[in-house]
Amino acid sequence: GAGVSQTPSNKVTEKGKYVELRCDPISGHTALYWYRQSLGQGPEFLIYFQGTGAADDSGLPNDRFFAVRPEGSVSTLKIQRTERGDSAVYLCASSLSEATEQYFGPGTRLTVT
Amino acid sequence: GENVEQHPSTLSVQEGDSAVIKCTYSDSASNYFPWYKQELGKRPQLIIDIRSNVGEKKDQRIAVTLNKTAKHFSLHITETQPEDSAVYFCAPRGSNYQLIWGAGTKLIIKP
Repeated sequence: GAGVSQTPSNKVTEKGKYVELRCDPISGHTALYWYRQSLGQGPEFLIYFQGTGAADDSGLPNDRFFAVRPEGSVSTLKIQRTERGDSAVYLCASSLSEATEQYFGPGTRLTVT
Repeated sequence: GENVEQHPSTLSVQEGDSAVIKCTYSDSASNYFPWYKQELGKRPQLIIDIRSNVGEKKDQRIAVTLNKTAKHFSLHITETQPEDSAVYFCAPRGSNYQLIWGAGTKLIIKP
């Protein structure tokens, strides 16, 4: 079956602009996670959803970052007033439930110039 | 919060030899311990995992061992092959379901 997909695969934006990153989880997976991975480092947790609600958003770095999952399937990560330090690969993962294996999408490489 | 350390940061082994990567964690409530493999420019892929009621799990050339008392778990790869070259991450799951990732181990297989 189809895996986790993310769009766009690459996004280049100017400092100060607004961006949206989209994640399509595996069908039927109720849990969805966003991570951020900087070059040479492990992924860093941002937020996770159980269904439509954000169960834990403790990893969001500041209030410029926001994520939604209105229908419990597709999720959008939104970044306002982007900064050069936001440049990273943004990874999305989904799992059947909170306690099961997480499967990752290919990521969106965000570059802020 | 949870602290995860992974050693070594780089490991170079001769093709056919074994490789061992160790991960230590601090959250005693952790109950799920996966290892991910990430090739350059690709997504992390789950290669093996273990849950806290099991001490060892094996899948062909890959095995994971868990010592909950000492709070560490290790990845063992035997008969290494060139395609094993990648960065490997441990990512124990904390009590709030998020994966806490180590810094990664770059495994180099020398021909």
